[in-house]
Amino acid sequence: SQTIHQWPATLVQPVGSPLSLECTVEGTSNPNLYWYRQAAGRGLQLLFYSVGIGQISSEVPQNLSASRPQDRQFILSSKKLLLSDSGFYLCAWTPHPGNTEAFFGQGTRLTVV
Amino acid sequence: GQQLNQSPQSMFIQEGEDVSMNCTSSSIFNTWLWYKQDPGEGPVLLIALYKAGELTSNGRLTAQFGITRKDSFLNISASIPSDVGIYFCAGRGGANNLFFGTGTRLTVIP
Repeated sequence: SQTIHQWPATLVQPVGSPLSLECTVEGTSNPNLYWYRQAAGRGLQLLFYSVGIGQISSEVPQNLSASRPQDRQFILSSKKLLLSDSGFYLCAWTPHPGNTEAFFGQGTRLTVV
Repeated sequence: GQQLNQSPQSMFIQEGEDVSMNCTSSSIFNTWLWYKQDPGEGPVLLIALYKAGELTSNGRLTAQFGITRKDSFLNISASIPSDVGIYFCAGRGGANNLFFGTGTRLTVIP
């Protein structure tokens, strides 16, 4: 069966520090991968999605970047965090092609101080 | 990025009551999904809809894919305390991206 792992679960980082959140999927190959951000009490905002290694689509301009160095690995990064980067970050995957349901990781609570 | 309009934003209901929430979009979608999110966790899929007009049930939950392909609704019958949480709709168009509604926060009063 397929599983998705996301870490760390919580993170407190100072303003200006770098960020690296990692997501891996097991039990499938060539998945579509997604990063979402959820502000407190709000909906999910799509940040990036990837349909293959090295292929990244960005939905909103921002202080973040994403990379997919391996088929089942998706990384969310920042060189210098801003206070506004605080939020709940969720990784998700769907089979490729992606006209099916998406499955989510447990999320990372990022607080920038 | 696109966001779907979901209503109501929040609901306070008595245990045993039925619940209805809906989602609309300005774009046509090929897939509608409904998720539930508990605090501090990722959303969990409840129901997936793939065809316009499709009506699907999962226990006490029923969801429909609107004929226009621009809307969907979710009903919960005979609510119980564990139904508490945030419910999200999500839609997928022709591309590989998946957009979410703004969420409906459900509170069930015992």
